This record gives sequence, C-alpha cells and structure tokens, in this order.
Amino acid sequence: QKEVEQNSGPLSVPEGAIASLNCTYSDRGSQSFFWYRQYSGKSPELIMFIYSNGDKEDGRFTAQLNKASQYVSLLIRDSQPSDSATYLCAVDSSNTGKLIFGQGTTLQVKP
Amino acid sequence: DAGVIQSPRHEVTEMGQEVTLRCKPISGHDYLFWYRQTMMRGLELLIYFNNNVPIDDSGMPEDRFSAKMPNASFSTLKIQPSEPRDSAVYFCASSLLDRGFYEQYFGPGTRLTVT
Repeated sequence: QKEVEQNSGPLSVPEGAIASLNCTYSDRGSQSFFWYRQYSGKSPELIMFIYSNGDKEDGRFTAQLNKASQYVSLLIRDSQPSDSATYLCAVDSSNTGKLIFGQGTTLQVKP
Repeated sequence: DAGVIQSPRHEVTEMGQEVTLRCKPISGHDYLFWYRQTMMRGLELLIYFNNNVPIDDSGMPEDRFSAKMPNASFSTLKIQPSEPRDSAVYFCASSLLDRGFYEQYFGPGTRLTVT
C-alpha cells in the first residue's frame, strides 16, 4: 500500500465549477498535510497547508482534513483554466519536514 | 531572495559518465532535500540534510548515487556511473520551520537525460 494515494485523473471540470481533489494516507500519526500545485514543466509550489481537523479556506481554495478517516481533500471554487495543473498531496508524518508525496492528480479546467 | 538555485537546468550525458547536479538553498534555511520525479514513480525523496548533516538517505536508489552538503549554501548530487534509467527531473528544495510547519521551496529542477 502506498503511503499517500491520489487518483491520477485527469479530472476535467468546466470553467466556473468546483473541482474536488482527494488524498488518503496510511500513517495515522501524520501531523501536517500539504497541497502543492505543479504546472507542466515547472516545479511544485505550495498552495495550502492544514494540520487540524476540519476546513481551512484561502481564497478560492479550501482544504479539508479528516484524521479519523485519514483523508484530506482540496476544493477549488470557481475553477479557472489557469488552475489546470497537477496537484500533489504531501504528508509530514513526523513533523520533521520530511514530506511523502502522492502521485498527483491532473486537473483540466475547460473554458 | 533568489529562491533555490539549481544547475545545470538540462544535462544530456552518455551512459557510464559521471553526472553532478548542484543546488544552492535559500539563505537561512536549515533543511535541504533532493527529489527525483518521473512519470512512472512520481516525486520521490532521495535524501535530506539538516544543518548540512545527512539525516535520511533511505531513498537513494543505489550506491551509484551520492550527495554532499559541504556548507549551508551548497549541495551536490552525484551519479557515477549514470544509466538510462536515471533519466528524470531532479529537484532540490529547502525549508525552514516557520509558523509551526516546514514549507518546502523547490528549485527549478535539472532535467537529466542519459543516453
């Protein structure tokens, strides 16, 4: 079993819709959870961080964490074509800064 | 700050040759990470350093790979001898504990092609 799992997609949504990206992790003791965005040919960049159960909102982005279910998600409201990218879920299981990344979900937002 | 700097940006070499990738982390960051990314395996952590000391090298695939961090502003990842299966994008990232978590900043990557 992979430590961090994501559906590779592609996930295709129309412009203006809500995109929902999901991630599960295997280490129940994991402390911190990250969402990175990676455009084609570019390096990953951090867009959201969450460590408490519940929701965390930042602009059009909402991260949701459920530690009991070992599940973290990212919602993108009012999706734009510029949101088209691969979204990587990452977990820091020991709060040491060592991140384990999922394979990433490719999001396509169609105009 | 200029961000994490990596060189070269592209490297094409023949099988059996030595390859050295270089990284300059963000000034003041005390963690440095080396990753490899391929379509098949995704983003894999190879090794990471804290205050120039290697902490975990369990991701280094073989003895052909080695990494050093002689000082806080420079690190190298060496592959000797290189093989075609080493072809990938290699990222360096650095981080600092801030606001209770470590945000990793990635460099632009080095695209390595071994023929």
